[in-house]
Amino acid sequence: QVHLMESGGGVVQPGRSLRLSCAASGFTFDTFGMHWVRQAPGKGLEWVAVISNDGTDKYYADSVKGRFTISRDSSRSTLYLQMNSLRAEDAAVYYCAKDEGDCRGGSCYRWDSWGQGTLVIVSS
Amino acid sequence: DIVMTQSPDSLAVSLGERATINCKSSQSLLYSSNDKNYLAWYQQKPGQPPKLLFYWASTRDSGVPDRFRGSGSGTDFSLTISSLQAEDVALYYCHQYYSIPYTFGQGTKLEIK
Repeated sequence: QVHLMESGGGVVQPGRSLRLSCAASGFTFDTFGMHWVRQAPGKGLEWVAVISNDGTDKYYADSVKGRFTISRDSSRSTLYLQMNSLRAEDAAVYYCAKDEGDCRGGSCYRWDSWGQGTLVIVSS
Repeated sequence: DIVMTQSPDSLAVSLGERATINCKSSQSLLYSSNDKNYLAWYQQKPGQPPKLLFYWASTRDSGVPDRFRGSGSGTDFSLTISSLQAEDVALYYCHQYYSIPYTFGQGTKLEIK
């Protein structure tokens, strides 16, 4: 059974950094692409970033490009999101999601499993 | 970017009645090489992550009750619940995975009338 658990959220001041983690289990981690998706309080879903199964291909939403970095560690079956220069508008619940494909070249399929999310609050 | 527009924004339906949510994309989600529509539907209940209902526009994910139906092709898609149950109260999102940046509709809130 696929299980994804995010951690690392919390309260951070504008301009500071935070690293989110997503621990994966129940599947062969290095076979599938992985996504980060966020949801601001009371708002809709926004895709943030994707990484291919082998970590070579990474793509970002324009809203986070140059500030956020997605990465993965297959030895730990863990996905990461390094968030720098945080802004008030980055405040959200951040979910990791498993793709059904490998996402090489940005070619992804359905997102069949999601974690419960971790809340990031950006406030001075 | 592909813009996904859902209608209506909210919907109140009586128990046992049909509910239909529409989703329109700003460009076709039909990939000609495999004849598949890169469109998914999610259900989200308060405090929970989204749950996948349909992919390839009309393929029901495992465990999804058959009162749910996904349909459409190209730029116009629908999610239909044939007989609304109390547990179907939720937010519903359409989502395109045709091209980066992946985008979602704004969501449709489904309630009991």
